[in-house]
Formats: sequence, structure tokens, C-alpha cells
Amino acid sequence: DTEVTQTPKHLVMGMTNKKSLKCEQHMGHRAMYWYKQKAKKPPELMFVYSYEKLSINESVPSRFSPECPNSSLLNLHLHALQPEDSALYLCASSQVLTGANVLTFGAGSRLTVL
Amino acid sequence: KQEVTQIPAALSVPEGENLVLNCSFTDSAIYNLQWFRQDPGKGLTSLLLIQSSQREQTSGRLNASLDKSSGRSTLYIAASQPGDSATYLCAVNNQAGTALIFGKGTTLSVSS
Repeated sequence: DTEVTQTPKHLVMGMTNKKSLKCEQHMGHRAMYWYKQKAKKPPELMFVYSYEKLSINESVPSRFSPECPNSSLLNLHLHALQPEDSALYLCASSQVLTGANVLTFGAGSRLTVL
Repeated sequence: KQEVTQIPAALSVPEGENLVLNCSFTDSAIYNLQWFRQDPGKGLTSLLLIQSSQREQTSGRLNASLDKSSGRSTLYIAASQPGDSATYLCAVNNQAGTALIFGKGTTLSVSS
């Protein structure tokens, strides 16, 4: 299995809702990433987990809460989001967190906040 | 701070043309450079990865080159096809333990 699977593909939520985005890989990768991509912009790094521990947090607001329950799963919990948080959220993984590794991306979860 | 620039922002060509996409980066101390393809509303597909010690990589009709000293990479697409229409993103990894830094992409349209 050489894929990164993201669910749901589309999510619409109100500003008071609590929802979660999920990401799964079975390639034995030990580094997993969340990126945010606004329309016509490049992906921007949000979080990186290495061996299930948060390694990088790019000053993301606390209304985004990542979780890595095991080596195959990565969640992004969403609460009290703003309309400007509407974007494509991309998950990626790599063998380990070093500069030489290839990142494999999922298809993304498109989030709309009303 | 590493900055990645891609030129042109958009490109339209007729089917069959050979074309070159450009990527430049400000900090030459990179570990690798990766080219991705992104179809509208979709995720990223990795096309080619060039390690800092390499000069080029080839995959089918795609050839990517890297000149680390000048901070430049090119993606050459031979005999373009309408199915090549997509946004092409260049990304660099310039420190161990950090993730990719992306350019804004070049949106390619190939007409039949």
C-alpha cells in the first residue's frame, strides 16, 4: 500500500462545530505532516509528527489540534473555526523526518467553514 | 529564510511542444528538491526528487535538473499532452528535520 488516505474528502462546518480530519498510511512511515492550502496558493506547513511526537508546530492557532494516536494515523481536530480557515488540508508522510525523504501526499480534505 | 520562486506563473502551449518550467531558491544549502503535480482541487503527486548531490533526474517525458550553486532547477516536459495540464509545484528541503518549502507553482494548459 503506497497511499495516504484522507477522510472526509469534503467537510462543511459551522463556526461552533467540532469536527476532525483523519489521515492514514500503511507504508511504515514514521513522519506525518499536515499542510494547509488556500486557493491558488502553495501548501503551508502546519504540523509535523515524528515517531508519534509533535516535532514542528508552525504557530498554528489553538483551534487546530493535531493528534497522532499511532504510527499509522494522524488526526486534526477542529473547533471554533473561522470562515478564513476554509481551505484544502493536505496530509503527507515520509519514512522519517530528514531532509532526504520523499513526501507522499494524500488527496486532501476540502474544508468549508460557514 | 528560504524562498522559492516559480516562473512563469501560467503557461499555455499547443499539444506536442516541449516546455521548461523554472524554479529558483534563495538558500543553496538544500538537502533535496522535489517537483509535484497538482490537479484542480486535488492532492499533490510527486513527479521527481533530486538530491543535493545530483544534477538531474528523469522519468518518462519529464526531466528535472538542479544547479544548487546558482539556486535553480528546471522541469523539462517533452512532447506535451493535454493530460499534462495541471499546476506544477517546486519544493525544497533545506534543513534536516523540517518539511518542504513550496513555490507558488506554474499552471500549465496544453491545448489539443
